[in-house]
Amino acid sequence: DAGITQSPRHKVTETGTPVTLRCHQTENHRYMYWYRQDPGHGLRLIHYSYGVKDTDKGEVSDGYSVSRSKTEDFLLTLESATSSQTSVYFCAISPDTGANEQYFGPGTRLTVT
Amino acid sequence: GENVEQHPSTLSVQEGDSAVIKCTYSDSASNYFPWYKQELGKRPQLIIDIRSNVGEKKDQRIAVTLNKTAKHFSLHITETQPEDSAVYFCAASKTGNQFYFGTGTSLTVIP
Repeated sequence: DAGITQSPRHKVTETGTPVTLRCHQTENHRYMYWYRQDPGHGLRLIHYSYGVKDTDKGEVSDGYSVSRSKTEDFLLTLESATSSQTSVYFCAISPDTGANEQYFGPGTRLTVT
Repeated sequence: GENVEQHPSTLSVQEGDSAVIKCTYSDSASNYFPWYKQELGKRPQLIIDIRSNVGEKKDQRIAVTLNKTAKHFSLHITETQPEDSAVYFCAASKTGNQFYFGTGTSLTVIP
């Protein structure tokens, strides 16, 4: 597995609380992504980053923000968690453009009660 | 944006038989088509990919075919084994970093 870790691996939180998920890579890859995975929907892109401080929205970005202050770290923040954000969140990295291999982290299971 | 459709959603085969999973995409500019295997509770793992300048690619028991004109690509697994049981996802991407995934196929190989 590529050097990607996610923290926490599991989290239960209450509606309305802020939550931050962290993705850390040791591969020095330029591109990092956040996806959510829900039954029947496959993997959907939330946000991605193409360099330090360079980020863009994916197809399901509402309610989420991201930050990348260092090459190795990409943070996903839920400003005010809702039950609809209960999901498994995967981080992924890619060494070059979107036309190159993408490798996934182990995932974070988030439950919003 | 791109729209990727994947069929079937579930597939059961006898051990030793072949399995075929099909995907279609809508954006003719997409040029990279990876396939991922995801075992229960694990991360998606890249198993094979194909680029738009190639029509077919093989890796042991796994092959992928691409028809750019029809905008569809398929995963073929021959001589299936119980350890092939998993959820398989196709995806499409073009330079610019957005990957669009199909909704997955749950493959069960019956011993």
